[in-house]
Order: sequence, then structure tokens, then C-alpha cells
Amino acid sequence: QKEVEQNSGPLSVPEGAIASLNCTYSDRGSQSFFWYRQYSGKSPELIMFIYSNGDKEDGRFTAQLNKASQYVSLLIRDSQPSDSATYLCAVLGSSNTGKLIFGQGTTLQVKP
Amino acid sequence: DADVTQTPRNRITKTGKRIMLECSQTKGHDRMYWYRQDPGLGLRLIYYSFDVKDINKGEISDGYSVSRQAQAKFSLSLESAIPNQTALYFCATSGRDSTDTQYFGPGTRLTVL
Repeated sequence: QKEVEQNSGPLSVPEGAIASLNCTYSDRGSQSFFWYRQYSGKSPELIMFIYSNGDKEDGRFTAQLNKASQYVSLLIRDSQPSDSATYLCAVLGSSNTGKLIFGQGTTLQVKP
Repeated sequence: DADVTQTPRNRITKTGKRIMLECSQTKGHDRMYWYRQDPGLGLRLIYYSFDVKDINKGEISDGYSVSRQAQAKFSLSLESAIPNQTALYFCATSGRDSTDTQYFGPGTRLTVL
């Protein structure tokens, strides 16, 4: 079992729809969770981080964390073609080493 | 100016050559990281450094070495490049708190022929 798993996609949604990206992790002691967006050939850029169970909203983005189910998700409302990218889930493990473990990423395609 | 810079941005080299990739940061961060990215495999950690005298291997350190010349500089070397080291390489930095966000440089695309 991979430490951080994401469906590689591609996930295709029409413009204006809600895109739902999911991530599961294996280390039950993990405390911090990050979502990065990466355009093709570019570096990852942070969208959101979440530490506590529940929802965290920032503009069109909502991160959801359920530690009991070891599940973190990212919702993108009113999806735009410019949201088309690969979304990387990253988890800070319980060993407190500062090392992030990345999922393989989910490719999102938003069609006009 | 960018907070995290990498040089070169692109490099084509031949098998057996020694290559150095350099990373500099102006964020004042203590922690620096080197990752490689391959299609379908996500980002994998090569080496990381929590300060100038603290360097640690990541999950795929074989064939690589690093040098932390100063708080702001962290270099990655391939002593004898091989074709399966062809990849996109990223440097990242973060603050002292283990929950601090990692910020990535623009990447170096390395091709080993």
C-alpha cells in the first residue's frame, strides 16, 4: 500500500461544475495535509493546508479532512479551464521529521 | 526576484558525466530539500537538510550526493550520470516548524543520453 494514494485521473468536469479530488493516507498519526497545484512543466504551488478535522474554505477551494477515515479531499467550486492542472496531495508524517510524502497526483481537466 | 532559484533550468548531458544542480533561496529558511519527479511517480525525496550541518538521505539517494554550502545554498550532484536519472528535479525550502509549508523552485529538467 502506498503511503499517500490519489486517483491519477484524468478527472474531467465541465466549466462551472464542482471538481472533487480525493486522497487517502496510511500513517494514522499524520497531522498536516497539503494540496499543491502543478501546471505541466512547472513547479508545485501550495493551494491549501489543513490540520484539523472538518472543512477549510479559501475562495473557490475547500479542503476536507477526516482523520478517522484517513481521508483528505479538495473541492473546487465553479471550476474554470485555468484550473486544469495536476493536483498533488502531500502528508506530513507522524515522525515529525518535516518530510512530506506526496501522492502521485490527480490530473484535472476543466472543459469549456 | 524569485525566492527559490535553481540553475541550470535545462541540461542535457551524457552517461558518465558529473553534473551539479544548484539551489539558492532568499526566504531565510533553515530547511532545504531535493526532489525528483517522474511521470506517474509523483515527487520523490532525494536528500534533505535541516541546517548546514544536518544532511539526511531521502527515499532515493543512491547515485546522488549533496552539499549545503550555506543556509541559502543546497547543491545536488550526480557523480556519474545514467539515463534513468533523466527527470525533473525540484529544490524546496521550508521554515523550522515541521508543519511549515514547503516552497518549490522552478525546477531543472535533466536529460541523460
